[in-house]
Amino acid sequence: NAGVTQTPKFQVLKTGQSMTLQCAQDMNHEYMSWYRQDPGMGLRLIHYSVGAGITDQGEVPNGYNVSRSTTEDFPLRLLSAAPSQTSVYFCASRPRQGAGNQPQHFGDGTRLSIL
Amino acid sequence: GDSVTQMEGPVTLSEEAFLTINCTYTATGYPSLFWYVQYPGEGLQLLLKATKADDKGSNKGFEATYRKETTSFHLEKGSVQVSDSAVYFCALIGGGSNYKLTFGKGTLLTVNP
Repeated sequence: NAGVTQTPKFQVLKTGQSMTLQCAQDMNHEYMSWYRQDPGMGLRLIHYSVGAGITDQGEVPNGYNVSRSTTEDFPLRLLSAAPSQTSVYFCASRPRQGAGNQPQHFGDGTRLSIL
Repeated sequence: GDSVTQMEGPVTLSEEAFLTINCTYTATGYPSLFWYVQYPGEGLQLLLKATKADDKGSNKGFEATYRKETTSFHLEKGSVQVSDSAVYFCALIGGGSNYKLTFGKGTLLTVNP
């Protein structure tokens, strides 16, 4: 099983450029989330989805867009990159059944630098 | 809202020392509690979990007990190894939400031979 796959693993952008971080999972999980990890801040939720066609904002959504057209994929879009978005981005998924008992499965992360 | 406060690091120990990383939480309802571990250059992996009061989660020699009376979930290991060097995150899913994982800020552990 591949689990949660994130691409690319590393990316350098210039301020103002746009890009999409890809996330795919092969576990048929309903819930998917995007987090960013910054030094001393832990992981903060950017956007999440409880199923195909349904997305909502987390605690730090500004500057990011998401969509969920299939169960498997949950891409994160930066429309106009800013240096403050330099971070490590993690995608996670978990099944809906079992509610809070189910841990999240994380991808290996995308390390993004905005110059 | 939900929050997790964990012991700030970094923590540096010698091999075979005893480890405690403190974690306390604030949450509505009855949260599920987790410890995740992140090895250098990798994503987060679930280390252990507990879903109700007095449950003890354990894995790879690590243990944590869900203490509702003190709202705590401290991570312990009796004898650490160099391979335990990593960042450890305490996290919860609140009783009022079944999707949002709230994390502490992480504790960097370095174990020296």
